[in-house]
Amino acid sequence: DAKTTQPNSMESNEEEPVHLPCNHSTISGTDYIHWYRQLPSQGPEYVIHGLTSNVNNRMASLAIAEDRKSSTLILHRATLRDAAVYYCILRWYSGGGADGLTFGKGTHLIIQP
Amino acid sequence: NAGVTQTPKFQVLKTGQSMTLQCAQDMNHEYMSWYRQDPGMGLRLIHYSVGAGITDQGEVPNGYNVSRSTTEDFPLRLLSAAPSQTSVYFCASTADRGNSPLHFGNGTRLTVT
Repeated sequence: DAKTTQPNSMESNEEEPVHLPCNHSTISGTDYIHWYRQLPSQGPEYVIHGLTSNVNNRMASLAIAEDRKSSTLILHRATLRDAAVYYCILRWYSGGGADGLTFGKGTHLIIQP
Repeated sequence: NAGVTQTPKFQVLKTGQSMTLQCAQDMNHEYMSWYRQDPGMGLRLIHYSVGAGITDQGEVPNGYNVSRSTTEDFPLRLLSAAPSQTSVYFCASTADRGNSPLHFGNGTRLTVT
C-alpha cells in the first residue's frame, strides 16, 4: 500500500501559487520524499525530491515539515500546462522491496484560466 | 540521450495471445520496474528488478512474466492475454533506491479483445 495520503483533487487559478499537500505519517529516517506529475496521455515525469531540507528547482519547490510527516509541493505561478495528476511517494534509500516504487492515486490538479 | 524507450506504442491482442512489451534504458540504471495504469487510476506496480538477473513481484504480478538478462533491457511478457489486461503500461528506471529520480517511458497502450 502507498505510504502517502493526498487529496483526490484540487483547483487553482492560472498565475496563482498552488500548494499541494502530502501526508506521510509513517515516514522513516531514510525515506526520500519524491514528487512526480503526469500530464494527460503521457508518462509520469519527475518534479522534485528531498530528504529533510526544503528544495527548489526550476519546476517547483518542496517544503518538508520539521517532523517530516508531511510535505507540500509548491508551484509558484500555475499555468494551464501545470494541469496534471501529481503523485507524492516515499522512496527508501537503504530499504528493500517494492515499497519505494509504489504509487497512490495522486492529486488531480485543475487550473482555471 | 534516449532515456527509457518502450515499444510498441500501441498493441491490440486477441484473448489468449501472448506478447512481449519491450523496455530499454541507456542510463546504466540498476533498478527497473513495470506499471500498469487503468482509466482514472494511479500506477500499480507489476514487477521490478534491482539488477541484472534479479526480479521480484509487485502489487499485481499475475498473468505477467519478466526477466532481466542485461542492465539495459527489462521486457514484460503477457503469457495468455485477457481483457482484464487492457491497460496502459509504463516502464521506469532509476539509479538507486531513494536519492535518484524515476525515469519513465512514454507507455504502451494495450487492448485485449
